[in-house]
Amino acid sequence: NAGVTQTPKFRILKIGQSMTLQCTQDMNHNYMYWYRQDPGMGLKLIYYSVGAGITDKGEVPNGYNVSRSTTEDFPLRLELAAPSQTSVYFCASCQGGTDTQYFGPGTRLTVL
Amino acid sequence: GQNIDQPTEMTATEGAIVQINCTYQTSGFNGLFWYQQHAGEAPTFLSYNVLDGLEEKGRFSSFLSRSKGYSYLLLKELQMKDSASYLCAVKGSNTGKLIFGQGTTLQVKP
Repeated sequence: NAGVTQTPKFRILKIGQSMTLQCTQDMNHNYMYWYRQDPGMGLKLIYYSVGAGITDKGEVPNGYNVSRSTTEDFPLRLELAAPSQTSVYFCASCQGGTDTQYFGPGTRLTVL
Repeated sequence: GQNIDQPTEMTATEGAIVQINCTYQTSGFNGLFWYQQHAGEAPTFLSYNVLDGLEEKGRFSSFLSRSKGYSYLLLKELQMKDSASYLCAVKGSNTGKLIFGQGTTLQVKP
């Protein structure tokens, strides 16, 4: 089991560019989450999904979009990158709503 | 509103014991988690409390009082590798959404 994998590890974007952060899990988990972590801060929830075809907003969804067409994949889309989106992005998954979340290694994004 | 508070930084000596406190106010409660995060790495799961009391796991223990909205993480026999950030997170609903505190950066000195 690879667990939760994320690509890319690092990315630099120019203002206004778009990109997709990939997240894949091979544990057959139903629940998946996207968080962002700014320097010296805790994690803030961007979007989450409780199963394929179902997504919902978290605390800080503005500027992002998600889709969940399969159980394994939960990509995060940035349409018009802004400097405020410079952060480390973590994807996580768990089997059920009360279970422990397991995190991917993160994507470090810089928007200049 | 939803709020989770923990100290920003702590320092302790190798071999000692340290207690990291966390207080929370959330609209629902389905468990409290502690994660460890080394610099530049992902959070890794340490402990989970859903009922009041102490959960022990080797050198790490976690305590919960739901009536007081309070938890602590106790680290014994500190080692240099314990230098990391410790994140307190509350699961507020059955959707599994976690609300994180800002994290406590622990520095262990020789």
